[in-house]
Amino acid sequence: NAGVTQTPKFQVLKTGQSMTLQCAQDMNHEYMSWYRQDPGMGLRLIHYSVGAGITDQGEVPNGYNVSRSTTEDFPLRLLSAAPSQTSVYFCASSYSGTSGSDEQYFGPGTRLTVT
Amino acid sequence: AQRVTQPEKLLSVFKGAPVELKCNYSYSGSPELFWYVQYSRQRLQLLLRHISRESIKGFTADLNKGETSFHLKKPFAQEEDSAMYYCAPLSGGYNKLIFGAGTRLAVHP
Repeated sequence: NAGVTQTPKFQVLKTGQSMTLQCAQDMNHEYMSWYRQDPGMGLRLIHYSVGAGITDQGEVPNGYNVSRSTTEDFPLRLLSAAPSQTSVYFCASSYSGTSGSDEQYFGPGTRLTVT
Repeated sequence: AQRVTQPEKLLSVFKGAPVELKCNYSYSGSPELFWYVQYSRQRLQLLLRHISRESIKGFTADLNKGETSFHLKKPFAQEEDSAMYYCAPLSGGYNKLIFGAGTRLAVHP
């Protein structure tokens, strides 16, 4: 199993550009989520999904869209990039969205810089 | 709002010294809590969860509901323990983790 994969690893955008960060998992996990990691702030939840066709907002959803058309994929879209979105983005998945004690598996991260 | 606080940004100790990484939370009821760790150039990974009452790599964490704390402890630190440690309670159902700001542990020879 590849686990959780993310592409690209690095990306530089200009303000106002759009892009999609890709996340895929091959473990048949129901739950997937996106976090951003900023210095001194830990990881903050952007959006999450408890199964195909179901998504919801986390702590910091503004400026981001998600969709979950398949169990495997959970892309994160930046519609109009802003410098405040410069961050490291992590995707995570777990077996069940409703069993609270499930271990979450993280991807390697995407480092995004918006100029 | 539910919050988790890790008061130390950096904890620097010598090999063999005891380690305690602090975590305080502001949740009601019986929260489920986790410690995640990120070693250099590795992915964030689960270290331990309070519900399992386990010891992983010599680390233990006790949930103190009275003090609303979930401190991570190890009696004798090793150099390979150097990493970023995150305390993470579940929030509001499902598997939503809320992460603290993290504590960087540096273990010196």
